[in-house]
Amino acid sequence: AQSVTQLGSHVSVSEGALVLLRCNYSSSVPPYLFWYVQYPNQGLQLLLKYTSAATLVKGINGFEAEFKKSETSFHLTKPSAHMSDAAEYFCAVSSDEDGGSQGNLIFGKGTKLSVKP
Amino acid sequence: DTEVTQTPKHLVMGMTNKKSLKCEQHMGHRAMYWYKQKAKKPPELMFVYSYEKLSINESVPSRFSPECPNSSLLNLHLHALQPEDSALYLCASSQGTSGRARETQYFGPGTRLLVL
Repeated sequence: AQSVTQLGSHVSVSEGALVLLRCNYSSSVPPYLFWYVQYPNQGLQLLLKYTSAATLVKGINGFEAEFKKSETSFHLTKPSAHMSDAAEYFCAVSSDEDGGSQGNLIFGKGTKLSVKP
Repeated sequence: DTEVTQTPKHLVMGMTNKKSLKCEQHMGHRAMYWYKQKAKKPPELMFVYSYEKLSINESVPSRFSPECPNSSLLNLHLHALQPEDSALYLCASSQGTSGRARETQYFGPGTRLLVL
């Protein structure tokens, strides 16, 4: 069975500061990992994904994430926060593992990012 | 075009009403999904359609009835809902051809449902 843990339900940073949102996963087979962003009253938008190619993945809006198998982590970072980055961020895992949940996205509980001026 | 559209944006219904949510994509995707998202929670998978056939039903009550009339359309028929069914209902689609696990799911903006 797979699972995702996002540490910190709420993260607050100042504009221009580093953004670090943490995600740890559990999977018995090689995982595929995703970060989605959800702005208020909107659907989810893919920021980036890891599908077993390069371990450092660059996404949209200046975000990137690094897959670390030894730490079972896929933390999301951005060097300099903008006010427009304020949103809910979800980490998700999927895999080709056999069973009823094959191919399904398993989401973490989400981290709300606030950006102070 | 990576857009998934959903109508209506908002819906208020009584517990005895019948209503339908509609989702449409024109990306040629062959997998489509319904999710339910309660406030301050992650999306929860309800149904998966693959090549217009229901492939996954995550133990959803029968008062929710999905339908996939063609490869571009996905409906969710609602009947005799309960107030606890109030939520944001999200539709998503993915290519559905290369193994769903690694595919990007593209989400619509959702329908915000209130059951009175």
